[in-house]
Amino acid sequence: ETGVTQTPRHLVMGMTNKKSLKCEQHLGHNAMYWYKQSAKKPLELMFVYNFKEQTENNSVPSRFSPECPNSSHLFLHLHTLQPEDSALYLCASSQEGPVSGNTIYFGEGSWLTVV
Amino acid sequence: AQKVTQAQTEISVVEKEDVTLDCVYETRDTTYYLFWYKQPPSGELVFLIRRNSFDEQNEISGRYSWNFQKSTSSFNFTITASQVVDSAVYFCALSESHGSSNTGKLIFGQGTTLQVKP
Repeated sequence: ETGVTQTPRHLVMGMTNKKSLKCEQHLGHNAMYWYKQSAKKPLELMFVYNFKEQTENNSVPSRFSPECPNSSHLFLHLHTLQPEDSALYLCASSQEGPVSGNTIYFGEGSWLTVV
Repeated sequence: AQKVTQAQTEISVVEKEDVTLDCVYETRDTTYYLFWYKQPPSGELVFLIRRNSFDEQNEISGRYSWNFQKSTSSFNFTITASQVVDSAVYFCALSESHGSSNTGKLIFGQGTTLQVKP
């Protein structure tokens, strides 16, 4: 059983829809992350939150809007996405903030298809 | 620049064979960390191991073993007596640091897809 849970596991949305991905970690960690995994591309870090504060936005388009209400929950709000945004979106957490050597634990991911 | 290369895109073996997944990294840092993750078809990235740059001892965990060679900048992963359940994509990753502003960002390789046939 994973300590990081993501919902929904699968999402199909139209380009004009607004939807959200939810992530919850049960590990007592202080940092949370969103990663994007596209076919034939390496995993890409999107956002980092440390103690609810955003510490990194890796040049992500504004149609992706993260929200971190507390250290245990992380959302990714989706609006007017493009078909090329179809990917596996992975949430992750780590005990401490994003420092070198910190082990990052991932959820099962949300498979997003934009039609 | 920091980089992780997994030259093997896909490997196919028959059950009970041993298999080694290669990982070569580049970094200018003297302190860094290396990781291996397993991604089964379900999608979750499962943490397997973390190794820091000062610890060159090889590690064994059951059928898994890791060979860290600083001289060749490699951190290879061997599965002994492979099983069908080992079929997955395996990622090697490097934890980035930039001195006082280290970000801990994980730099992933492209992944190696391992298929273990019965």
